Amino acid sequence: EVQLVESGGGLVQPGGSLKLSCAASGFTFSGSAIHWVRQASGKGLEWVGHIRSKVHTYATAYAASVKGRFTISRDDSKNTAYLQMNSLKTEDTAVYYCQTIDYGGVWGQGTLVTVSS
Amino acid sequence: QSALTQPASVSGSPGQSITISCTGTSSDVGVYNYVSWHQQHPGKAPKLMIYDVRNRPSRVSNRFSGSKSGNTASLIISGLQAEDEADYYCSSYTSSSTWVFGGGTKLTVL
Repeated sequence: EVQLVESGGGLVQPGGSLKLSCAASGFTFSGSAIHWVRQASGKGLEWVGHIRSKVHTYATAYAASVKGRFTISRDDSKNTAYLQMNSLKTEDTAVYYCQTIDYGGVWGQGTLVTVSS
Repeated sequence: QSALTQPASVSGSPGQSITISCTGTSSDVGVYNYVSWHQQHPGKAPKLMIYDVRNRPSRVSNRFSGSKSGNTASLIISGLQAEDEADYYCSSYTSSSTWVFGGGTKLTVL
């Protein structure tokens, strides 16, 4: 089964850090670009950033709202992508999804990040 | 990068066809054929329905189709069914090498 599973969410104070993981199975992870998308409660989807595959030199790109604070990486040997979030703000509170458009499109189930004191 | 523009809501009766529009600019929808559509039921993760403007994953019903004209992409759902009631989001690649989503459209099946 083609699958993405996020983990690592939780409660963190403003200014803190958190690292999310996105574990892939059932498809050739190394060849796929991985996106991170978030959704605040009752709101729409917001693209956070992506990391491309090795053939594209693992290029990354970020939304303006997180650039300089968030970093996306991947470990193809572990079929896992990561989202390192630093200097967290209350407005970063959301469900975070990882996603790929490849292989018919795969979304994870999401992991909740709450930034609050 | 501003969000793509979608109608807040659309509705239709079972069996009818509806169209959801997604308007961008000459820096995203108008210049790239990398427009996707995602369906999201309440409390669930989104699901990819259309990619690269008009391509449909094999698991998605052929009642769903996509098109593009100028800066506006469209999702067409024919033979509307109760299970199609959900939120729909478009997304596009941009000239800044980023992606952007639309604000979402709530589809109601009457």
